[in-house]
Amino acid sequence: DSGVTQTPKHLITATGQRVTLRCSPRSGDLSVYWYQQSLDQGLQFLIQYYNGEERAKGNILERFSAQQFPDLHSELNLSSLELGDSALYFCASSVGTYSSYEQYFGPGTRLTVT
Amino acid sequence: DAKTTQPNSMESNEEEPVHLPCNHSTISGTDYIHWYRQLPSQGPEYVIHGLTSNVNNRMASLAIAEDRKSSTLILHRATLRDAAVYYCIPYAGNMLTFGGGTRLMVKP
Repeated sequence: DSGVTQTPKHLITATGQRVTLRCSPRSGDLSVYWYQQSLDQGLQFLIQYYNGEERAKGNILERFSAQQFPDLHSELNLSSLELGDSALYFCASSVGTYSSYEQYFGPGTRLTVT
Repeated sequence: DAKTTQPNSMESNEEEPVHLPCNHSTISGTDYIHWYRQLPSQGPEYVIHGLTSNVNNRMASLAIAEDRKSSTLILHRATLRDAAVYYCIPYAGNMLTFGGGTRLMVKP
């Protein structure tokens, strides 16, 4: 158990819909990262937050947005869902943003868009 | 981002040591070398990281070449539970860039 929790575990929804994925980081970790893993793209970085502020952005679609709240939990919002958004979404957390800090991953949310 | 080269797959016998190599010849001087693994149907799991010196922890050892252009993850006694995809990642401190990794198969 990494200490990072993600809800829900599974999500099935239809195209065009909007969903919210939730992540609670390890106690004491200020940085949260979101990653997407699909069969054809592998693990890809989406976005990073540190203590409530956006710090880095990867290939995140405009239909996707995220935020980190004062209690440090984070939410990833996916809207106008398409079939291609079906993937595993992982959240990770770390103490800070230096390269000496490791990231701890949650168990993921499996999103299926039908 | 520094490019990495890892074997696509490796095989090991249970209870034998495994050496997983990684080339990262374009690594920046301040990037730590991180190793993660992903077991089937699970999220990535941190294994070990280092900058210049060799590192040991309860899971593995990391040997880093003097010029930092390559590193080797050492599992001292492979178990069936170590069967996973292992990723070597030069890390600058924001995003982890996962390549294809090495799929380790462990035979009983």
